[in-house]
Amino acid sequence: NAGVTQTPKFQVLKTGQSMTLQCAQDMNHEYMSWYRQDPGMGLRLIHYSVGAGITDQGEVPNGYNVSRSTTEDFPLRLLLAAPSQTSVYFCASSTGYNSPLHFGNGTRLTVT
Amino acid sequence: SQQGEEDPQALSIQEGENATMNCSYKTSINNLQWYRQNSGRGLVHLILIRSNEREKHSGRLRVTLDTSKKSSSLLITASRAADTASYFCATDLTGGGNKLTFGTGTQLKVEL
Repeated sequence: NAGVTQTPKFQVLKTGQSMTLQCAQDMNHEYMSWYRQDPGMGLRLIHYSVGAGITDQGEVPNGYNVSRSTTEDFPLRLLLAAPSQTSVYFCASSTGYNSPLHFGNGTRLTVT
Repeated sequence: SQQGEEDPQALSIQEGENATMNCSYKTSINNLQWYRQNSGRGLVHLILIRSNEREKHSGRLRVTLDTSKKSSSLLITASRAADTASYFCATDLTGGGNKLTFGTGTQLKVEL
């Protein structure tokens, strides 16, 4: 039981490049979400999904796209990377109502 | 916008002492959760307390919730060096479990 798996662990992009951060969970959780963590800011919600085919925006969605074609996977796409997107990105999943989040170990992204 | 704010921002204690961290929030909540983050890792769930609960225990952890003051506290008793980590509170406004709002965290250092 791997839990929540994020790849890659580290990534460096140039401004304007695109990439996809991968997130997979093997716990059959319906709810999945993406957060970014910046120094002094805590974690902020980017996008979330309550099930396959259903996604919605969080607090800081601009510059990011998501899709949820399966229960297991919830990729996060950066279409035109900007230095402001330099951050640590965490994917999380949960069973839903009044349930805790299970986090991956994060992807550290640097945009130059 | 930051719903939860932890206090203090940093705390340094000796092994065996108790550590208390506080969290204040702004709006009514369904539940409040505490997470731990070791350096370079994802967050790990510690305790979830619902809005109709006042206190919960888990091992050496004790969490209280005062909804009238919109505040919560996390007490770690008989601290160990392994408790060194950042601790975050997170509020869930609806109970949906997928849109948590995190505070900025307390960095706890437990020295031998």
